[in-house]
Amino acid sequence: AQTVTQSQPEMSVQEAETVTLSCTYDTSENNYYLFWYKQPPSRQMILVIRQEAYKQQNATENRFSVNFQKAAKSFSLKISDSQLGDTAMYFCAFTGGADGLTFGKGTHLIIQP
Amino acid sequence: DVKVTQSSRYLVKRTGEKVFLECVQDMDHENMFWYRQDPGLGLRLIYFSYDVKMKEKGDIPEGYSVSREKKERFSLILESASTNQTSMYLCASSSLEETQYFGPGTRLLVL
Repeated sequence: AQTVTQSQPEMSVQEAETVTLSCTYDTSENNYYLFWYKQPPSRQMILVIRQEAYKQQNATENRFSVNFQKAAKSFSLKISDSQLGDTAMYFCAFTGGADGLTFGKGTHLIIQP
Repeated sequence: DVKVTQSSRYLVKRTGEKVFLECVQDMDHENMFWYRQDPGLGLRLIYFSYDVKMKEKGDIPEGYSVSREKKERFSLILESASTNQTSMYLCASSSLEETQYFGPGTRLLVL
């Protein structure tokens, strides 16, 4: 069974700073997908970024980028120039394909003005 | 835009009642999923379906059943609601091995 670990229950940074959220996972599969989802106070789960394990290049989406280290089974999310609207729960998630996602327990990120 | 809707945002039920949570997606996705979210536990997969009339158990199927009679609709059923089923329920859909898109969630309180 796959497991996803987020070791930071809560983080707080100042607006405009850069912050990195950690995620490690455990799997015996070679092909899989990794995601970061954001859940603001509205509770709507929003996709932040997606990474296919077979791609060596790290995914980026505007201010959001990942550091994917396949051998180390590490998948961290970097948020640059953080904004107040980035305040949310962030979940790292794993799937081997068409089955369900395995989620970490989440990191509560607070952006201070 | 992908749209996943859930029938209720908030629901209050009594212990022993039969509860139906409905989810509808408008993107012709093959796969649909039900998760529950609890503080400190993250999201856990209850059931999923990769085709009409097909269902697969997730990590915590006990006390739940599902129904998928049409491609766009996936129902979660609590046959006899119990207080430990008080939770946030999230539905998601995806196309084959693509990204899962989530509905707004249903917060269920069982008294």
